Amino acid sequence: DVKVTQSSRYLVKRTGEKVFLECVQDMDHENMFWYRQDPGLGLRLIYFSYDVKMKEKGDIPEGYSVSREKKERFSLILESASTNQTSMYLCASSHYNEQYFGPGTRLTVT
Amino acid sequence: KNEVEQSPQNLTAQEGEFITINCSYSVGISALHWLQQHPGGGIVSLFMLSSGKKKHGRLIATINIQEKHSSLHITASHPRDSAVYICAAIIQGAQKLVFGQGTRLTINP
Repeated sequence: DVKVTQSSRYLVKRTGEKVFLECVQDMDHENMFWYRQDPGLGLRLIYFSYDVKMKEKGDIPEGYSVSREKKERFSLILESASTNQTSMYLCASSHYNEQYFGPGTRLTVT
Repeated sequence: KNEVEQSPQNLTAQEGEFITINCSYSVGISALHWLQQHPGGGIVSLFMLSSGKKKHGRLIATINIQEKHSSLHITASHPRDSAVYICAAIIQGAQKLVFGQGTRLTINP
């Protein structure tokens, strides 16, 4: 079974803090993705990565950066958290077209 | 206009009813996912299909590539089917998904 894990289920941070969200997959997938999910807006792609050290911007990259130093790990970084980044964050990995999602991290920025 | 449109946005039905959720897309795709998300839970892929029809238990997914339309059907619905169902299109030539807005399904006992 493919497993995608995320470092936290719930996270509360203060405005201006640097926030790291970690995602790890155990199936040697090349492709990894970070999404955010908001009521009324659905799922939106923040960043994705096709390989180690490679990244591409998704639809809403502003305010975020990513890091992929190892194939199994894809990190999402909020350099200076803001209240409009309060959201559910979902990581996924894929092999060909099949995507596998992590459990999500609900981030609240106060 | 979104590239992937789902209908209805909300659906409430009685246990046992036959359920249909529709998805239309306006872009070229290589495949389409139907995803399920329970409250507070992660997302699970129910089906990935690029043509025809797939069945898993009480769930059936169909896709018509010419009409750019897919449907998810649930037979003999049960309260445990209550969840958000999301269709997501895999854009041709890319690994990215484009998501519909989701359909919130509630099955009452």
